[in-house]
Amino acid sequence: DGGITQSPKYLFRKEGQNVTLSCEQNLNHDAMYWYRQDPGQGLRLIYYSQIVNDFQKGDIAEGYSVSREKKESFPLTVTSAQKNPTAFYLCASNGGNYEQYFGPGTRLTVT
Amino acid sequence: AQTVTQSQPEMSVQEAETVTLSCTYDTSENNYYLFWYKQPPSRQMILVIRQEAYKQQNATENRFSVNFQKAAKSFSLKISDSQLGDTAMYFCAFMKPRGGSEKLVFGKGTKLTVNP
Repeated sequence: DGGITQSPKYLFRKEGQNVTLSCEQNLNHDAMYWYRQDPGQGLRLIYYSQIVNDFQKGDIAEGYSVSREKKESFPLTVTSAQKNPTAFYLCASNGGNYEQYFGPGTRLTVT
Repeated sequence: AQTVTQSQPEMSVQEAETVTLSCTYDTSENNYYLFWYKQPPSRQMILVIRQEAYKQQNATENRFSVNFQKAAKSFSLKISDSQLGDTAMYFCAFMKPRGGSEKLVFGKGTKLTVNP
């Protein structure tokens, strides 16, 4: 089945540690995205990538980093510089038909 | 920059009745796309319906339909014959075509509860 996988579903970290969230897609989509969702908020764009080895900052990129070494993979690192990292993180891809397909999300809790 | 506003944080409806969720947006673009996404308690984002701005005809998908008023920059979602499974957060979203790296701009969502 084609789709987007994110792992793990729940992630716990101590403050001050970097953590990497996984996003893999087998839809052969070029563009991939990372969004953050907080209670009472819509989704906000962190980073996006149109092609391999290229990515751009979204609206709330501070404290995050990404890489795009393979078309299928777009991992997100939440660094210790992110002041409020506890949130729900969603990965998405776009196959060129102006529709974004979302993964199941990762709930990150930092204490 | 584009903005999307959903003025109803929460709504409720009785099963089998009809409910309309509101969405307004602000843009100077003429060509764009609008979407409604559903996020049930599982938190999986599911595309409900999309509308191309250049199409005057309102989009429909089974029990879901939109009322797209381009001049008023309004894009409401009507759910007919509401079902318990329609209980979810609903997000309105705007997208401007950019040749492959289109970004979605989301509203803050409306929490819909369908009561038995």
